[in-house]
Amino acid sequence: DIQMTQSPSFLSASVGDRVTINCKASQNINRYLNWYQQKLGEAPKLLIYNANSLQTGIPSRFSGSGSGTDFTLTISSLQPEDVATYFCLQHNSWPRTFGAGTKLELK
Amino acid sequence: QVQLQQSGAELVKPGTSVKLSCKASGYTFTSNHMNWIKQTTGQGLEWIGIINPGSGGTSYNVKFKGKATLTVDKSSSTAFMQLSSLTPEDSAVYYCARRLGFDYWGQGVMVTVSS
Repeated sequence: DIQMTQSPSFLSASVGDRVTINCKASQNINRYLNWYQQKLGEAPKLLIYNANSLQTGIPSRFSGSGSGTDFTLTISSLQPEDVATYFCLQHNSWPRTFGAGTKLELK
Repeated sequence: QVQLQQSGAELVKPGTSVKLSCKASGYTFTSNHMNWIKQTTGQGLEWIGIINPGSGGTSYNVKFKGKATLTVDKSSSTAFMQLSSLTPEDSAVYYCARRLGFDYWGQGVMVTVSS
């Protein structure tokens, strides 16, 4: 199975900060990497698909980059509504595997 | 708009089975795969398996073979997952998610296995 190592596990930042979250795959997954936002008690919401494509309706402050084994989610200017847990998913290989998540809080 | 409506929370006894549902609307059910995912505090998110509603074809994570069985009812655009021989380790929130790319997710259903 492909292991997805996500970092950091916890992140505290201020409104307006630039925030980056990373996922590292144990093998090449090309660009088959998605990023999700999950707020407490809610279903995960797709933010970025295939490493760098912004899902329809998602604010442009969210962006993704990377390919192969190293990927990054960036929030260019943190907003209060971005407080959530973020996780990555690789859909290149079976079984699909997820990162452990990054809990983002406001400082 | 795409919606995946999952059934309500379940409290079940060890050794029994439970069947969860995921009713799809807003798109062509038979043209899009459906995934099932388990979420726990300890293990995080785990992919259970996927079903092609058009053909009924399935693929499972080896970890969940024998535990989960995926089916669909095309007439009601509903996907089902049956979990068998339940133990406390099966207590979790279970999600359905559309397509190979996991673009839309259901709201999740909490399953609690307890005597």
